[in-house]
This record gives sequence, structure tokens and C-alpha cells, in this order.
Amino acid sequence: EDQVTQSPEALRLQEGESSSLNCSYTVSGLRGLFWYRQDPGKGPEFLFTLYSAGEEKEKERLKATLTKKESFLHITAPKPEDSATYLCAGSPRGKIIFGKGTRLHILP
Amino acid sequence: EAGVTQFPSHSVIEKGQTVTLRCDPISGHDNLYWYRRVMGKEIKFLLHFVKESKQDESGMPNNRFLAERTGGTYSTLKVQPAELEDSGVYFCASSQDRGYNGYTFGSGTRLTVV
Repeated sequence: EDQVTQSPEALRLQEGESSSLNCSYTVSGLRGLFWYRQDPGKGPEFLFTLYSAGEEKEKERLKATLTKKESFLHITAPKPEDSATYLCAGSPRGKIIFGKGTRLHILP
Repeated sequence: EAGVTQFPSHSVIEKGQTVTLRCDPISGHDNLYWYRRVMGKEIKFLLHFVKESKQDESGMPNNRFLAERTGGTYSTLKVQPAELEDSGVYFCASSQDRGYNGYTFGSGTRLTVV
């Protein structure tokens, strides 16, 4: 069965304290691995798509990486405005399969 | 460009009643998706339209749920009759291609069945 598992469930960091979020996946015929950001009361906001092992993508303080079994979202020197739930998702075809997310809280 | 619009944003109905959710995708996006998040669980796929055709409806929970996309523009998701377990947040998303470059999601409709 296709599955996406994220850890930790929640993470509190001080402003400027770098860390990584983990996403492990078992998705048959993976077409893409996605990262989304979700703020309270809003829908998920697209961040990255990774297509193959070894690929990396960056956006401001975020960098996503992909291996054959895992993806990591690295957050460098985070700011309070980076606080959100980060969702990992895998796409076998068409539809995407989400993990439960990691709730990230950055303390000023 | 305007984003994906969903309404209502909130709906509270009694068990046994009917509710219709609406989604207006980004103009020109042929692919439209419905997803749902129930309390404490991950966001789960319901179905996928390509224009007006249902491409994949494998995530629809049962025959109380009916989705339509007449004319390939906006879509509706009707729940009839609603049950308590249907409570959750219903998201709509759209994309130009098959979503490999990411979907654009709406803000969701929070449905509460009491």
C-alpha cells in the first residue's frame, strides 16, 4: 500500500536554529515527491517537486532533497514567519498521497 | 491570476441533510481534484476530473458522495444524506498538467455534521 510518513509530528525551534524534517515514502511508480506548506485556515501551498534520487531544490531558507526512500526538508536559520505545517506527498499518477505533516513553530 | 475558490468556507448541517460544496478552479486548468482531511488524519484524495470527465474516483468513500463538473469549469461535491463521519475539511485543487509541477489548492470548506 502506498504510504507517506513524516517525522517529527511537531517541532519547536528558536529563531536561527537550523533543522531538518523527514519524509519516508513507499509509493509505487513514484512520479514526483512534493513538499507543501500549510498555514492555519488555508489550503496547502506548493513549495517543491522532486523527481529523482539525488535531486535538490532550494527556496529562500528551505532546501528539499530526495533519496530512493526518503526526502528531507532542511530549514536554515528559520524565522518566525516560517512557522506552519509542512506536508510531504508522493504521486504515483494523477492523485497525490499526503503524509500527516510536521507542525513547525519558530520562537522569536 | 485568481486562485482556486471554494465556498462556502464553513458549513454546519444536521445529520441526514444535504450539502453541496462548490469549487471554481483557476481558469484554463483542465485538471480538478477533490481532497478531504478528517480530524487527526492526513489529507486524502477523493477524485480527479480532466475537463468534465471523471479520471479517477477511487477515493470517494461511498455513494452518498456525488461530484460533478458540468462544462469542464466549476465543480460541485454533494453529500446526501450527510453522516457524522463526513465532518472535515474538503479541499479542491487544480492544475494545468497532471499535477507533477504541483497543484494549486483552495482554502477549503470546513464541514461539520451534527
